[in-house]
Amino acid sequence: EDQVTQSPEALRLQEGESSSLNCSYTVSGLRGLFWYRQDPGKGPEFLFTLYSAGEEKEKERLKATLTKKESFLHITAPKPEDSATYLCAVHALTGTASKLTFGTGTRLQVTL
Amino acid sequence: EAQVTQNPRYLITVTGKKLTVTCSQNMNHEYMSWYRQDPGLGLRQIYYSMNVEVTDKGDVPEGYKVSRKEKRNFPLILESPSPNQTSLYFCASSLIENTGELFFGEGSRLTVL
Repeated sequence: EDQVTQSPEALRLQEGESSSLNCSYTVSGLRGLFWYRQDPGKGPEFLFTLYSAGEEKEKERLKATLTKKESFLHITAPKPEDSATYLCAVHALTGTASKLTFGTGTRLQVTL
Repeated sequence: EAQVTQNPRYLITVTGKKLTVTCSQNMNHEYMSWYRQDPGLGLRQIYYSMNVEVTDKGDVPEGYKVSRKEKRNFPLILESPSPNQTSLYFCASSLIENTGELFFGEGSRLTVL
């Protein structure tokens, strides 16, 4: 069964304190890994797609990387507005069907 | 503005009283899906639709129905809601099936007493 595990569950950073969020996965037939941001009371918002090991994507203070077993979301010099829950999802091929499996998220709080 | 619109956003109902949560997208997307989000369980897919009149079960379809009569609309129907269906529901769409790049609605928080 496909599994997606995110760590830590929660992370508190001070403004400017860089860190990384982890998404480890166990799937066969990876077709893509996706990062989303979810603000309280809102739907998830798509951030990045990664397709193969070694790939990197960047957007402002966020950088996503992918290996064969995990993905990292690096946050450089975070600001309070980066506070949100970050979700990763894995799209995998299982037999003839493809499936998107979400992790439970990392809740990030950035304080002044 | 590109968006996925869900209604109602909040609903409190009682066991057994049929309800429908509507979902509409204005992006001409072929693929639409319903998820529920529960603490510690993440987003789980209920049903999805790859195009008009084409729907299929996701991971947790029991107690739910859907229909896709028009490309833009994908309502979620709870024929006889039960307390275990208390959850936060999200509708999502994408241009084509299963890209993983989903546009989500704002969510519908449902409480079944």
